[in-house]
Amino acid sequence: SQQGEEDPQALSIQEGENATMNCSYKTSINNLQWYRQNSGRGLVHLILIRSNEREKHSGRLRVTLDTSKKSSSLLITASRAADTASYFCATVLNSGNTPLVFGKGTRLSVIA
Amino acid sequence: DAGVIQSPRHEVTEMGQEVTLRCKPISGHDYLFWYRQTMMRGLELLIYFNNNVPIDDSGMPEDRFSAKMPNASFSTLKIQPSEPRDSAVYFCASRPIREAAFFGQGTRLTVV
Repeated sequence: SQQGEEDPQALSIQEGENATMNCSYKTSINNLQWYRQNSGRGLVHLILIRSNEREKHSGRLRVTLDTSKKSSSLLITASRAADTASYFCATVLNSGNTPLVFGKGTRLSVIA
Repeated sequence: DAGVIQSPRHEVTEMGQEVTLRCKPISGHDYLFWYRQTMMRGLELLIYFNNNVPIDDSGMPEDRFSAKMPNASFSTLKIQPSEPRDSAVYFCASRPIREAAFFGQGTRLTVV
């Protein structure tokens, strides 16, 4: 299965701290994607990193990809209460003709 | 584009009734996905389409569930007859090949 598996399952930090979440997968990929879901709402795409990229930034978000270890990490710097959400990763295989299959996600709580 | 549009946003129905969920994907997207989310099972992929053709429906839980995509701008997910255990939030998502997905706001289904 190309499902990504996130860890930890839950993370609680103080506002201003950094939050790091990890994703592992099993097969060779074309790209890996991170999403956020606020309670009761649809998933929102955050960052897409391709297999030939090692690091990508978007505002306070930093994503790394290690294809040799089949793993990725999402770092949120200077977290805010509004970052409280569940975070999911998903992979796309080289054929492109694959669905996005999500794991159980990491539930992040940022305490003000 | 207004994004992926799902209707209705909320649906309460009695056990045994037919339920039809609707989705309008983003124009030009090659793929359309139907997901179901519950606390117990997380985010499950039910079925996905590529260029209006169903590719994998192995996630559809039972024959009571069916999905169609008669054209590139419309898809339906039907449950007949509905049961209380079908209560969940149902998401539709669409994406171009090898790119990020965009999710609708979901339909919260309650079967009583």
